[in-house]
Amino acid sequence: AQKVTQAQTEISVVEKEDVTLDCVYETRDTTYYLFWYKQPPSGELVFLIRRNSFDEQNEISGRYSWNFQKSTSSFNFTITASQVVDSAVYFCALSVEAAGNKLTFGGGTRVLVKP
Amino acid sequence: NAGVMQNPRHLVRRRGQEARLRCSPMKGHSHVYWYRQLPEEGLKFMVYLQKENIIDESGMPKERFSAEFPKEGPSILRIQQVVRGDSAAYFCASSPRGLAGVGAYNEQFFGPGTRLTVL
Repeated sequence: AQKVTQAQTEISVVEKEDVTLDCVYETRDTTYYLFWYKQPPSGELVFLIRRNSFDEQNEISGRYSWNFQKSTSSFNFTITASQVVDSAVYFCALSVEAAGNKLTFGGGTRVLVKP
Repeated sequence: NAGVMQNPRHLVRRRGQEARLRCSPMKGHSHVYWYRQLPEEGLKFMVYLQKENIIDESGMPKERFSAEFPKEGPSILRIQQVVRGDSAAYFCASSPRGLAGVGAYNEQFFGPGTRLTVL
């Protein structure tokens, strides 16, 4: 069975501060995919990134960066120089081919960026 | 190419009524996943369907819930005799195929969700 843990339920920062969201996953499968989604107050799910288990390269996209470490089963997400528009709930998720690629989500981390 | 569509966006039902949630996948997509998000929680997988087939319903409650994805028309998630605990956001996602082979991945595209409120 798969499991995703986001230990931080809520993080509050002041604008321009950096914020790192932790994600730890569990799976016995060797082929799997990791995701981050953003859910703003409007409620829709916004896809941010997908990584596969064979690619441990870290990735940067604008103010967003992701640190994938198989040794610690972690896929952490950092927002640099946070902005008020970053206020949302962020979900980490995992899928494995053997399970039909259904997504297993973490509980989410609510980020509140204050002006 | 229109995205995944869900309707209604908001649905209010009284206890004991039936709720029908519809999901129209993206054009060319033959796989649909349904997820439920209870208030203040993450999304939980419910069911995975291919056209006319249920592939995985391991996340579906045993009673009152059913899902279908007919050859023609949208996928339907049906909740009979709703209770207050069914109040949640229900998201569907569509994919061109379930499995793409090692090293490849078939993206799931999410709809905007249906917010069900049971009074």
